[in-house]
Amino acid sequence: AAGVIQSPRHLIKEKRETATLKCYPIPRHDTVYWYQQGPGQDPQFLISFYEKMQSDKGSIPDRFSAQQFSDYHSELNMSSLELGDSALYFCASSLGGGFQETQYFGPGTRLLVL
Amino acid sequence: ELKVEQNPLFLSMQEGKNYTIYCNYSTTSDRLYWYRQDPGKSLESLFVLLSNGAVKQEGRLMASLDTKARLSTLHITAAVHDLSATYFCAVANNNDMRFGAGTRLTVKP
Repeated sequence: AAGVIQSPRHLIKEKRETATLKCYPIPRHDTVYWYQQGPGQDPQFLISFYEKMQSDKGSIPDRFSAQQFSDYHSELNMSSLELGDSALYFCASSLGGGFQETQYFGPGTRLLVL
Repeated sequence: ELKVEQNPLFLSMQEGKNYTIYCNYSTTSDRLYWYRQDPGKSLESLFVLLSNGAVKQEGRLMASLDTKARLSTLHITAAVHDLSATYFCAVANNNDMRFGAGTRLTVKP
């Protein structure tokens, strides 16, 4: 069965650079969630989209933005990167939003900011 | 503010033993999730609990939810080495989802 696809899987950036992470949900899933997991930390909810509209907003920094496109894939744009942004970024998809349904997580993008 | 407390944070078990992981949360919610995460890997959904009194079992793991007590438990029966991982509970309310700190489980032969 198709799973959630994230790209790139690994990314190295320098401080103050920008990064774009991509997430391709499971086919027919209409909701995408983004999470940030720092080393040894629990995942933190950043933002979610349902039917291409922002649905819920968590602890996403103002330097970050995201959107969901017509094909339901989503991109997380990160600007003015800081050392503390180094983390594993997961996206998850579900059929239906509002945290009502099982979320299926992608493999994650490991971002290292130097 | 929704807060989730999980305990214990570290758990070392002998194979064949039973144990329970607890997840308490601070505000009303009827949506609770348990995930497993292996080192460096993604999160695997184990259970989705959506109502008071919900009980679900899969293999050696059983999860329950008491929304009145704002408590969920993950019970491990006759642990085996393959269960070694970090287990997270997560609680959702209307517009947010919070994870517990995770329980790092090690099952020793």
